Amino acid sequence: EDQVTQSPEALRLQEGESSSLNCSYTVSGLRGLFWYRQDPGKGPEFLFTLYSAGEEKEKERLKATLTKKESFLHITAPKPEDSATYLCAVQRNTGFQKLVFGTGTRLLVSP
Amino acid sequence: KAGVTQTPRYLIKTRGQQVTLSCSPISGHRSVSWYQQTPGQGLQFLFEYFSETQRNKGNFPGRFSGRQFSNSRSEMNVSTLELGDSALYLCASSKNPGTGGSYGYTFGSGTRLTVV
Repeated sequence: EDQVTQSPEALRLQEGESSSLNCSYTVSGLRGLFWYRQDPGKGPEFLFTLYSAGEEKEKERLKATLTKKESFLHITAPKPEDSATYLCAVQRNTGFQKLVFGTGTRLLVSP
Repeated sequence: KAGVTQTPRYLIKTRGQQVTLSCSPISGHRSVSWYQQTPGQGLQFLFEYFSETQRNKGNFPGRFSGRQFSNSRSEMNVSTLELGDSALYLCASSKNPGTGGSYGYTFGSGTRLTVV
């Protein structure tokens, strides 16, 4: 069965202190790995889709990378507005193509 | 461009009652998926609809059902509510099923259901 594990569960950073979030996955044939950001009381907001090992995508202070077993979300010089829960999800390329989510990393960036 | 609209935003129901939640996808999106989000389990897939047909269903009891209309709007229904059904119910839309693609699946803000 497809599985996604995110670590750490929670992360507290000072403004400007760079770090990485981890997403480990097992899936029988990866169609895509998705990163979402979720603010309290809101639905997940799409950030990136990665399709194959070695792929990287960037958006402002965020950079996502993908290997055959993991994805990392690097946050460079974070600001308080980056505080949110970051969710990782995988979708297989055959059969039942639902998104399988990890339980997320709660990020708090203090000024 | 309007996003995914879910109504109502909040709902309080009593055990044993039934509830219907609504989702209007982004204009032009024909696929609608539903997810349940709880603190312990995270986001769990409920079902997916495309062209008024249920394509896939997650591991939820038969009390959870849904449908899609010809204008792509979707509803989900939960009958005989239990305390454990309290959750945030999220709807996501995409142009076609299984093609979140470069733009991902667009989620609504959800309906917060509390069962007392």
